Amino acid sequence: DIRMTQSPSSVSASVGDRVTITCRASQVIHNYLAWFQQKPGKAPRSLIFAASRLMSGVSSKFSGSGSGTDFTLTINSLQPEDFATYSCQQYESYPFTFGGGTRVEFK
Amino acid sequence: QVQLVQSGAEVRKPGASVKVSCKASGYTFSNYDINWLRQTAGQGLEWLGWMNPLTGDTGYAQNFQGRLTLTRNTSISTAYMELSSLSSEDSAVYYCATGRYCTTGVCFPTADHWFDPCGQGTLVTVSS
Repeated sequence: DIRMTQSPSSVSASVGDRVTITCRASQVIHNYLAWFQQKPGKAPRSLIFAASRLMSGVSSKFSGSGSGTDFTLTINSLQPEDFATYSCQQYESYPFTFGGGTRVEFK
Repeated sequence: QVQLVQSGAEVRKPGASVKVSCKASGYTFSNYDINWLRQTAGQGLEWLGWMNPLTGDTGYAQNFQGRLTLTRNTSISTAYMELSSLSSEDSAVYYCATGRYCTTGVCFPTADHWFDPCGQGTLVTVSS
């Protein structure tokens, strides 16, 4: 199975900050990477597909980059509604696997 | 409105089975795989398996081989996940979500509905 490693596991930030989260795959996954946002008690929300393509309706404050094994999610101008847990997912091959998640907390 | 609506919370004893439903609406059920995933308390997301609603083909994560069964009833656009031999470690919120787009015998990931929609989640509690 492909292992997905996210860092950091948590980050403290303030409103207006820029936050960057990294995700590393244990083998090459090309650009078969998605990012999800999840808030407590809510279902995961798909943010980014194919490493950098915003899902429909997702704010352009979110951006993704990377290819191969190393990927990043950047959140610009953090707002209160952005405090959540973010997870990466590879879909290059089954089983699809997720990173451990990064909790973005209010400083 | 494209959505997946799951069945309600379940409580089971260790060793029992649970079956969760996922009803699709607002799109052609047979056009997209259904994936199942779960989240245990304080842990990350875990993918369980997928099912092609058109063909009934399935794939399971190795951890769940032999005790996970994914089925569907196309007449009511509903997918089902049944997990047997439950233990306390299976206590989690279970989600269904769309996946690959399938047409003319070919399936491929697409941004149109990649894990979107996702069902609202079903809490499964395993306790003696």
